[in-house]
Amino acid sequence: GAGVSQSPSNKVTEKGKDVELRCDPISGHTALYWYRQSLGQGLEFLIYFQGNSAPDKSGLPSDRFSAERTGGSVSTLTIQRTQQEDSAVYLCASSPPFGRANYGYTFGSGTRLTVV
Amino acid sequence: GQSLEQPSEVTAVEGAIVQINCTYQTSGFYGLSWYQQHDGGAPTFLSYNALDGLEETGRFSSFLSRSDSYGYLLLQELQMKDSASYFCAVRAPAAGAAGNKLTFGGGTRVLVKP
Repeated sequence: GAGVSQSPSNKVTEKGKDVELRCDPISGHTALYWYRQSLGQGLEFLIYFQGNSAPDKSGLPSDRFSAERTGGSVSTLTIQRTQQEDSAVYLCASSPPFGRANYGYTFGSGTRLTVV
Repeated sequence: GQSLEQPSEVTAVEGAIVQINCTYQTSGFYGLSWYQQHDGGAPTFLSYNALDGLEETGRFSSFLSRSDSYGYLLLQELQMKDSASYFCAVRAPAAGAAGNKLTFGGGTRVLVKP
């Protein structure tokens, strides 16, 4: 697609429920990243996928968080047993294959998650 | 690990020049990026410096000194539409994976007044 697409744009869930957030990257972008942004804060790295390589999961805050990327394209971030501190905007980004001259990430508009 | 420091807020008037400094401590370093984010919007890529020196893109310029672990973003001829948050980000090797990832600073909120 023309840009990075994320769904849903907003999600309100009850504490303890599981949620799935979806990211559809730009076609041809082999790298895909998930970040989390709390209100007025910077972006916190969560996980990174590059092609068929093992993902960098070093930013996942707990084992309640997991992500997968199927077929090297669409990615799903799953949060199990949500807690109020999980409330944030979850941003997905993609970038061209490693080594290309363009080093900029293209971000989606994010999913605003509210846990009540 | 990585840590980045940048001022939390800057206020200036239209037409002025603003410099946003960023200092970083990092294990592994490929380059320094800058992103702009308007309230409620997605971050958008502004610039990237891999080598020392100044990169100019229109009204915005970015500088890097690798020996000082320091960079800055220069916003010239400020316009109202430049009111946004600006983030510096270090590009460094990913952990246990091919490629690289960005670690972001906390952001500098720029407020442009008439």
